[in-house]
Formats: sequence, structure tokens, C-alpha cells
Amino acid sequence: GQNIDQPTEMTATEGAIVQINCTYQTSGFNGLFWYQQHAGEAPTFLSYNVLDGLEEKGRFSSFLSRSKGYSYLLLKELQMKDSASYLCAVRDGGATNKLIFGTGTLLAVQP
Amino acid sequence: DGGITQSPKYLFRKEGQNVTLSCEQNLNHDAMYWYRQDPGQGLRLIYYSQIVNDFQKGDIAEGYSVSREKKESFPLTVTSAQKNPTAFYLCASLRGGTDTQYFGPGTRLTVL
Repeated sequence: GQNIDQPTEMTATEGAIVQINCTYQTSGFNGLFWYQQHAGEAPTFLSYNVLDGLEEKGRFSSFLSRSKGYSYLLLKELQMKDSASYLCAVRDGGATNKLIFGTGTLLAVQP
Repeated sequence: DGGITQSPKYLFRKEGQNVTLSCEQNLNHDAMYWYRQDPGQGLRLIYYSQIVNDFQKGDIAEGYSVSREKKESFPLTVTSAQKNPTAFYLCASLRGGTDTQYFGPGTRLTVL
């Protein structure tokens, strides 16, 4: 079966660091994506990992361990505008670029 | 401006009526996708198309239909056979040879 797990909700303080975890069990694997989605809006692309290790992009970093079926998204210097849902998605191993999404983690940034 | 457009943003229909959701892109992307999003659930794939005049069912295709007559357009019809049509519908596209799907702004469909 296909299963992607992430925490439902998290709370963090403005200026702090937060780590959002994602574990996956899928029949195939061809990369892992993180998207940000504000309420009522479309998901926007944050990061893509296909090899093990850390990818850094400004305040956001994403890590992947394929052997453990694990990824995390790290957000530094949190801002109020970072309050959103963060979606973890795995691309399956075929040629279709199909994505399997987790349920998302709703992050609330407090002053 | 290049991008993916979906119209309308909000749509209301009576139960038993078919409704068509529009998705257009001017990015020259080859592949297009339709997802459905419900509260507390992840995005679920309804249909996808990798080239013009070809499309495949996703995980929850029952009660939906699509067409791909032009590269730029991938409309989704929600038929009366769809038992729970009220949801947020998202269209995405992807350029051939690349990895990332980009999403349109979405259409929120409410069936009364």
C-alpha cells in the first residue's frame, strides 16, 4: 500500500526553528516534494529531494533518507506568514510523475 | 503572464447536475493533472494526461470525466454519478523532462 504520515498540527514561535517530519511507505519512489499551502489557496512548490541529504534554500531546508523512508522540512527564523499547511508528497516510481500526498501539517506561528 | 488558470474560483450547483471545471495553462506544459482536496485528507488524483488526446484514471476517477483536445486545456466534468462532489479541486501541470508539478488557484465546488 501507499502511506505517507505527517503530524496533523504544529505550533511554533515567531523567530524560532521548526522541523516538520514526513515518513513514507510506497511501492515506488522517484523523489519527495514539499509544498506550502495557505488556506483556500493552491499549493506552492518549496523543495524537491531525490537523493539522500540536505537541500537548503534560504530559510527552508529539506532532508531525505531513502533507507529510512523519512524526510523533514526545516523552517528557520519563522515569520507569521509561514503559518500554513505543509504538504509532503512522494512521486511514484513510474513514468507518470504521479504524486502521492500526505494529509498535510498545519503550522501555526505565534508572536 | 504565464501560468495556470482555473475558473471559476467558487461554483455552486444543484444535486444531480453535471458541472465542468476549467483548467488552462500557457506554459507549454505537456502533462496536466486534476486533484481533489477534502478537509483532513491529502490531495487525491482524479485524472491525468501526459499528452494531447490521451488521459488516464487516477485513484478516484469514478463520477468524473475529462478531455484533452488541446495542450493548453484539461477540463474536468463532475457528473451526477459522483456521490460527494463538494470539494476543492486543483489542477496542476508539468513540463516534460522536469520534476515539479505547479498548481492552479483551485475551484471550490459546492453542491446544494
